Amino acid sequence: QVQLVQSGSELKKPGASVKVSCKASGYTFTSYAMNWVRQAPGQGLEWMGWINTNTGNPTYAQGFTGRFVFSLDTSVSTAYLQISSLKAEDTAVYYCAREVCSGGSCPDAFDIWGQGTMVTVSS
Amino acid sequence: DIQLTQSPSFLSASVGDRVTITCRASQGISSYLAWYQQKPGKAPKLLIYAASTLQSGVPSRFSGSGSGTEFTLTISSLQPEDFATYYCQQLNSYPFTFGGGTKVEIK
Repeated sequence: QVQLVQSGSELKKPGASVKVSCKASGYTFTSYAMNWVRQAPGQGLEWMGWINTNTGNPTYAQGFTGRFVFSLDTSVSTAYLQISSLKAEDTAVYYCAREVCSGGSCPDAFDIWGQGTMVTVSS
Repeated sequence: DIQLTQSPSFLSASVGDRVTITCRASQGISSYLAWYQQKPGKAPKLLIYAASTLQSGVPSRFSGSGSGTEFTLTISSLQPEDFATYYCQQLNSYPFTFGGGTKVEIK
């Protein structure tokens, strides 16, 4: 079935880096854009940006430039989120989400989500 | 950036109630609006896209309406499994902002 499976929880110290993976299966990886969404503890959803899975070109939302990097390995249908120089305020669940386009008006929504990866930054 | 304001932020309702959640956009977004349901510890689940199109597999008690700047999500008869937090999202322009969420709890 169509799914996105993310890597497991991470506990990191301030200043360290982390790389979250998001492996797609059940569909053609390069046919759909991949988005990243952050959810801080007890808070709402925050769109971080997206990556074109054909070209590898990333687009970052304001507030997610510099320390955040989206990348791909299309040979294994996997998207990555790397965060460097981690801060306590990066503590959150990070989701990857497939962007769907029905053809009439695009984009439509995020139809498939990974299960989320909890990143905890603490000394 | 387009701001989305959801109301109410919290509502208490009983099984069988009709529930309506509103999402207002700070500028017109045509019909580029989606609704998601999120339960504790789980990823969001797509309910409605293009303002009023029901995602495959979603029960027909969920419906969406609106265009431009005002949108609604309606649950015609609230079921026990519907107690969750609901978010709207605009996909008209970057950044793809989300509303603040509406938590639906059992009365």
